[in-house]
Amino acid sequence: DGGITQSPKYLFRKEGQNVTLSCEQNLNHDAMYWYRQDPGQGLRLIYYSQIVNDFQKGDIAEGYSVSREKKESFPLTVTSAQKNPTAFYLCASSPRLARGAFFGQGTRLTVV
Amino acid sequence: GQQVMQIPQYQHVQEGEDFTTYCNSSTTLSNIQWYKQRPGGHPVFLIQLVKSGEVKKQKRLTFQFGEAKKNSSLHITATQTTDVGTYFCAGWGDGGATNKLIFGTGTLLAVQP
Repeated sequence: DGGITQSPKYLFRKEGQNVTLSCEQNLNHDAMYWYRQDPGQGLRLIYYSQIVNDFQKGDIAEGYSVSREKKESFPLTVTSAQKNPTAFYLCASSPRLARGAFFGQGTRLTVV
Repeated sequence: GQQVMQIPQYQHVQEGEDFTTYCNSSTTLSNIQWYKQRPGGHPVFLIQLVKSGEVKKQKRLTFQFGEAKKNSSLHITATQTTDVGTYFCAGWGDGGATNKLIFGTGTLLAVQP
């Protein structure tokens, strides 16, 4: 089955802890993205990557970090520097830029 | 930076009525995409428009890309309860801003049976 997988679906963390969200795709897509969605809001771009070992900041990159060591994987780390980390995090991929994006199921992160 | 706004934010219709959402970008777009997100779900890609003035149809859905490539619309004819969800437009920048896929603010559609 081809697709994009995010894990876990729900994640709880204590304030001050770093947490890493997983995103894996077996669609052989070059481009991958991370978005954040707050309740009743749109999607805001955190980071994106066009190819392996390359990534760029989106509009709200502060307090987040990513890596792209493999084509299939694009993990997102929410650091303790992110002031309001509680949100719905969505990972997506596309064959290349300027094509439709396929989204994972998302991870709901709650920081207490 | 590039901003993509949608109106209305929320629309409540009776089943069978038509619905339209409008998308406006602060900059020219190389193409426009539309996504649907069901409540509690993730966005699902619907369609992509590339050419100025392009119109595409998917059953009861009609998508249009403006002549100036800065605006777009989605029209649903005779809404059904299965149309419930948030509709997002998303655009790739043109010129020097081609690398980011920026989503609009979204329009939440509620359909009363």
